[in-house]
Amino acid sequence: GENVEQHPSTLSVQEGDSAVIKCTYSDSASNYFPWYKQELGKRPQLIIDIRSNVGEKKDQRIAVTLNKTAKHFSLHITETQPEDSAVYFCAASNGYSTLTFGKGTMLLVSP
Amino acid sequence: SQTIHQWPATLVQPVGSPLSLECTVEGTSNPNLYWYRQAAGRGLQLLFYSVGIGQISSEVPQNLSASRPQDRQFILSSKKLLLSDSGFYLCAWSYWDGSLRPNGYTFGSGTRLTVV
Repeated sequence: GENVEQHPSTLSVQEGDSAVIKCTYSDSASNYFPWYKQELGKRPQLIIDIRSNVGEKKDQRIAVTLNKTAKHFSLHITETQPEDSAVYFCAASNGYSTLTFGKGTMLLVSP
Repeated sequence: SQTIHQWPATLVQPVGSPLSLECTVEGTSNPNLYWYRQAAGRGLQLLFYSVGIGQISSEVPQNLSASRPQDRQFILSSKKLLLSDSGFYLCAWSYWDGSLRPNGYTFGSGTRLTVV
């Protein structure tokens, strides 16, 4: 089955800096890669996703890049703000099975 | 629009007592439904998923069970809770359009279960 590795487990940045979270996956058939943000005590919420037919997708300060050859994808957050502090999960799916989640990255943005 | 409801929000139960958590989805038909558990820490552990009424797949053997008595209803149960069952339980749904094109999950607001 699919295996998703996520790094780093914790990331501390200063407000205004950029943050990058990286994930690798094992199943070359995976074709859908969502990212979730989970604030303390709340539900995970989908913030951006990418399918295998594109290499990059942007939504304001958030972008996701996908390298299918290397089987890795990354979340980029620019101009970080304290409200970006949360746990971020990457995930992957090939459509035949459930989403496989990474173990999460705790992002701390200091004012 | 689609909404997912999960209740109760918090629950404190003694060891050995039964459990029933309910999740319902509105505004869609034949959703894929999921139960996740999140222990202290961050990981999302898939417990059960269902692609249709009465169809349940178990990912982790344990003293929990799931049922889907109606198209948009998903229930997580236990006959006797253990201390290790404490955690944050999340129901989720995803859209199924009849193809193998995967879609993102929408999570319910979660139930924080403490077994004492």
